[in-house]
Amino acid sequence: DTEVTQTPKHLVMGMTNKKSLKCEQHMGHRAMYWYKQKAKKPPELMFVYSYEKLSINESVPSRFSPECPNSSLLNLHLHALQPEDSALYLCASSPEQGARYNEQFFGPGTRLTVL
Amino acid sequence: AQKVTQAQTEISVVEKEDVTLDCVYETRDTTYYLFWYKQPPSGELVFLIRRNSFDEQNEISGRYSWNFQKSTSSFNFTITASQVVDSAVYFCALFRINTDKLIFGTGTRLQVFP
Repeated sequence: DTEVTQTPKHLVMGMTNKKSLKCEQHMGHRAMYWYKQKAKKPPELMFVYSYEKLSINESVPSRFSPECPNSSLLNLHLHALQPEDSALYLCASSPEQGARYNEQFFGPGTRLTVL
Repeated sequence: AQKVTQAQTEISVVEKEDVTLDCVYETRDTTYYLFWYKQPPSGELVFLIRRNSFDEQNEISGRYSWNFQKSTSSFNFTITASQVVDSAVYFCALFRINTDKLIFGTGTRLQVFP
């Protein structure tokens, strides 16, 4: 299995809702990533988990809360989002964090709309 | 400054034409990695190639080829005999070892018409 899966594919939420994005990989990778991509822009790194511990937080607002319950699963909990948070949220994984293992495999993304 | 520049915002070609996507990078690091990713309309980024800074050999994979020239800080990507399925946004990216981060260029949208 060489893929990263993400659910849901699309999500529409109000500013007061709480929702979660889910990402799963079964490649035995120990590093997992969340990226945010606005329309016609490149992906921007949000968080990196390495061996289930948060390794990098790119100063993301606290209304985004990542969680890595186990080595195969990565969640992104959303609360009190703003309309400008509407974007494609991409999950990725790599064998490990670090130079020799930095080939990242991406999921199809969750397209989020905040009303 | 660490930066990746893809000057071509959009390219349109007709099927079977060859097309080259340009990528120029800036870094002071001596060791780094360069990547190309493809993003079709479905949204998923598809890994195409990784190159480390010590390996300047050009690479060919089917209709795809890459030309890495450290002297000009360029890592260009050529698609030979383009096909409609090649239509996508292509991102060039620089991986910095000391920050463990991928720096993406702004992407080039390639449209291949039948």
